[in-house]
Amino acid sequence: QKEVEQDPGPLSVPEGAIVSLNCTYSNSAFQYFMWYRQYSRKGPELLMYTYSSGNKEDGRFTAQVDKSSKYISLFIRDSQPSDSATYLCAMRHSGAGSYQLTFGKGTKLSVIP
Amino acid sequence: EAQVTQNPRYLITVTGKKLTVTCSQNMNHEYMSWYRQDPGLGLRQIYYSMNVEVTDKGDVPEGYKVSRKEKRNFPLILESPSPNQTSLYFCASSLTRTSGRAFGETQYFGPGTRLLVL
Repeated sequence: QKEVEQDPGPLSVPEGAIVSLNCTYSNSAFQYFMWYRQYSRKGPELLMYTYSSGNKEDGRFTAQVDKSSKYISLFIRDSQPSDSATYLCAMRHSGAGSYQLTFGKGTKLSVIP
Repeated sequence: EAQVTQNPRYLITVTGKKLTVTCSQNMNHEYMSWYRQDPGLGLRQIYYSMNVEVTDKGDVPEGYKVSRKEKRNFPLILESPSPNQTSLYFCASSLTRTSGRAFGETQYFGPGTRLLVL
């Protein structure tokens, strides 16, 4: 079983829809969770950063972490065509020397006008 | 403007011909890292550096070398490139705990270098 699983999609939704993107993981030591957005031919950019369980909201984006289920989600409200990109989840464990990130393979999202 | 720059952006080379991809950041970040991104495999870490003269292997270090002689620069060296190193390469930098921020909270990626090894 891979450490981080992410459905590659592609996922296609109409403009204005609520989008749900998800990752599951197997390593219970993961404590920090991130979501990156990557536009075509660009480097990833950090969208959301959360520690441990709970929710974090930033504008139209909400990140959720459920450590008991080893499941993280990114919700995008009122999706826009400009949200069309590949979304990568990433995570790391805490403690000394924990400077490696483990990435999911990314979900490609298209928001149709 | 805070940024990570990589050069070259595109490179075609032949098997065995040594090459270097440069990476530079202007944010005084301690941490720098190299990733490769391949279809179906996602982003995989090659090497990372916690600070000047401190480097460590990531998940896929074979065939690569790095050095960190200055804080702002972290070049990736392929001594004898092979076709299986054809990939999209990203450099990234981040603050660390020593700067009062959690690692990864401020990670910036460069624009990528697309490498083709014939």
